Amino acid sequence: KQEVTQIPAALSVPEGENLVLNCSFTDSAIYNLQWFRQDPGKGLTSLLLIQSSQREQTSGRLNASLDKSSGRSTLYIAASQPGDSATYLCAVPSGGYNKLIFGAGTRLAVHP
Amino acid sequence: DVKVTQSSRYLVKRTGEKVFLECVQDMDHENMFWYRQDPGLGLRLIYFSYDVKMKEKGDIPEGYSVSREKKERFSLILESASTNQTSMYLCASSLELAGEDYEQYFGPGTRLTVT
Repeated sequence: KQEVTQIPAALSVPEGENLVLNCSFTDSAIYNLQWFRQDPGKGLTSLLLIQSSQREQTSGRLNASLDKSSGRSTLYIAASQPGDSATYLCAVPSGGYNKLIFGAGTRLAVHP
Repeated sequence: DVKVTQSSRYLVKRTGEKVFLECVQDMDHENMFWYRQDPGLGLRLIYFSYDVKMKEKGDIPEGYSVSREKKERFSLILESASTNQTSMYLCASSLELAGEDYEQYFGPGTRLTVT
């Protein structure tokens, strides 16, 4: 059964730092991996989708990598800003029909 | 842009009431999903649908049912609301196959409180 783990659970950094969020999964037979952002009390916003054939995907200050063989993905945030404060979740499809298994998330706080 | 909308942002219901949560997507997606999110438990799949009138149970279907009469609309029904169904409910949609290109898009969520 697929399990997804995210480390760290929480992170507090000063503005301007570059930071790395980690996601690991137990079954490497995945089609893709998706990173989401969730603001308090809100829905999920899709940030990046990495296909299984890709190793990296970039959007602005965000860069996500995928290493299927080791069961890991990282989300790199460059030059963090207070507006980046949110919970970041990774998810992989499992069991067909694109059903997602989520990690518990990393709660990020960027202070001025 | 893909848009997934949910009928209410906040809802307060009494124990025993029948509750309907509505979700609509505008991208002609085949798949639609209902998740609930609870502190410490994360997001868990309640039900999903891969076509009109087709539905499958997720990980925690007890106490819930669903309806999909039209492709764009997926409803979650709490037959007799209980306090342990107080939660954030999130609807999502995606294209049909678990292929490499298919993102899942989420609605804004409904915060349901059952008193």
